[in-house]
Amino acid sequence: SSELTQSPSVSVSPGQTASITCSGDRLADKYLSWYHQRPGQSPILVIYQNYKRPSGIPARFSVSKSGNTATLTVRGTLTTDEGFYYCQAWDTNTVLFGGGTELTVL
Amino acid sequence: EVRLVESGGASIQPGGSLRLSCAASGFTFSAYNMNWVRQAPGKGLEWIAYINSDSDTIYYADSVKGRFTVSRDNAFNSVYLQMTGLRAEDTAIYYCVRDPSSLVIAINFDYWGQGALVTVSS
Repeated sequence: SSELTQSPSVSVSPGQTASITCSGDRLADKYLSWYHQRPGQSPILVIYQNYKRPSGIPARFSVSKSGNTATLTVRGTLTTDEGFYYCQAWDTNTVLFGGGTELTVL
Repeated sequence: EVRLVESGGASIQPGGSLRLSCAASGFTFSAYNMNWVRQAPGKGLEWIAYINSDSDTIYYADSVKGRFTVSRDNAFNSVYLQMTGLRAEDTAIYYCVRDPSSLVIAINFDYWGQGALVTVSS
């Protein structure tokens, strides 16, 4: 079955731009969502249907897709943006999650 | 306010059974598809089950197929996860999750419960 692959970690300084990638077979044909999970908390949806932001998610969060890779970009990073980010998609009767990328802001 | 509250988490021996419940409030429960997602200690997210709004479409992850059963009762605004044949690798926090999409290919999870801890150990 398909998999979603994410780089394990990204580190940026406050105010900089963080880029988190997610790759997988036929990703260009899939609807992709992204979640942010802070330590000890439940995940929060930050992007759905490839590019849409739920209410309350700032425009600092955006996504681009090229071929079988999607990139979540976080501009003007804050310390509250730290944590794990997961990409997610549907694939033939199953839901795929990427392995997660740990974003450190220091 | 949308709320999803899981209950039923416990410590249990391998081979045992357990039933998780999720009580939903703050939205029209019968209009939404629901899912269970779990997270083993220190690990990533793993989707395990989907049930659509009227219970006629259900999917399971291969890792739990044949052992876990998802169900819902729209009259009680609740979704359930019956777990049997539990294994050490089923140890995880189990999240009840709402899916607002109208197409399963666009599935996403907009509200998550706080999670219920299931520990499988002898």
